[in-house]
Parts: sequence; C-alpha cells; structure tokens
Amino acid sequence: AQTVTQSQPEMSVQEAETVTLSCTYDTSESDYYLFWYKQPPSRQMILVIRQEAYKQQNATENRFSVNFQKAAKSFSLKISDSQLGDAAMYFCAWRPTGGSEKLVFGKGMKLTVNP
Amino acid sequence: DTGVSQDPRHKITKRGQNVTFRCDPISEHNRLYWYRQTLGQGPEFLTYFQNEAQLEKSRLLSDRFSAERPKGSFSTLEIQRTEQGDSAMYLCASSSPSFLWTYTFGSGTRLTVV
Repeated sequence: AQTVTQSQPEMSVQEAETVTLSCTYDTSESDYYLFWYKQPPSRQMILVIRQEAYKQQNATENRFSVNFQKAAKSFSLKISDSQLGDAAMYFCAWRPTGGSEKLVFGKGMKLTVNP
Repeated sequence: DTGVSQDPRHKITKRGQNVTFRCDPISEHNRLYWYRQTLGQGPEFLTYFQNEAQLEKSRLLSDRFSAERPKGSFSTLEIQRTEQGDSAMYLCASSSPSFLWTYTFGSGTRLTVV
C-alpha cells in the first residue's frame, strides 16, 4: 500500500528565515503526482505546490520550492522568507498518474512562525 | 466561482441519528471527492465521483455511509445511525484533468456525535 510519511510533527521558524519540511513516500508506481497542502486554522486546505514525478526540474511557486528526489522517494518543501501567515498545518500528499485518483496524505506537520 | 462550498459548517447530532452533508464543487470540475479528517491526522479518502458515477469507495465507507452526486453537480454524504467514532471533519474536494489535477478543498463540515 502506498504511504506518505511526515516524520516531524511540529517545527518552528523565525520570521524571514527559511525552513524545510520533510516528506517521504513509498510506492512501486513510476509515474505519480506529489503535492504540498497548507491548512490554516480556518480549516480550508490550500494547494501550495505540485510536482509531477516525470519532471526532473523541481517545482517552484514564489517563496515555496521543493526538493524532489525520486530515487530516495523524498519530497521536501522549502519555505523562504517565512511570514506569519505561513503558520499552519502542512500536508504532503501523493497520487498515481493513472488508476486511482485518490490523494494519499501524510499525518501533517504543524509549522509555527515566530515574530 | 467561489470555490468548493460545504454545508453545514458544523453539525452536532445524537448517537443513532442520521445526518446529511452537502458539497457544491467548482462548476468546471467533473471530479468530486469526499475525505474524513480526525484530529491530528491527515485526510483519509472516502469516495469519489466522475460526473454522477461513483468510481471508487474506501473500505472506510461502511454500509452506514452513502454518497450521491445525482446530476453530476453537487454531492451529498449521508451517515446513518451515527456513532461516536464518526465524529470528524468531513472534507469535500473537486478537481479535473483539464485543471491539472489541482484539487480544491472546501472548508469542511465538522461532525460531533454526542
């Protein structure tokens, strides 16, 4: 069964600094998508960034970038210039390119941003 | 389009009662997904629809749970004979291949069974 592991339940970062959130996954599929979602206290899950496994180039969205290591099955999220609004639960998720369309989520990680 | 809407936001019910939740997806999205999230956990997949067809159901979806999407637009999730273990946040999401699989989530319905 496919699993997504976020081994750090909580992290904190100082405002304006950089933080990296880790995620590993286990799958025998060769083609898949990976996602990072943010869930602020208001509850709505918001897509942060998305990566297709066939793309070697790491995805980037403004202050958010990923380090995708396919052989190591690792998908970490780097947040640069952290802002108070980045404080939230962050979830890593996976789904295969074909077949089932369900997202498999990790347990999440709580990020605190200190002023 | 205002995104994915879920109603109600909160529901408190007595054990044994039936409850129904509604989800209105983004109109251009033909896929609709239901997830359940308990405290301190990531969302767990329950079921999903492509238009009105229910294509996959999780083993988590016991016989007491049923979901419909009758006209391929909004969806309902019904839980019959609720149990305390059903207390959770129920999330709805929509997506579409033409939107590069950017799953958009609603704010959820928090169910408390007392």
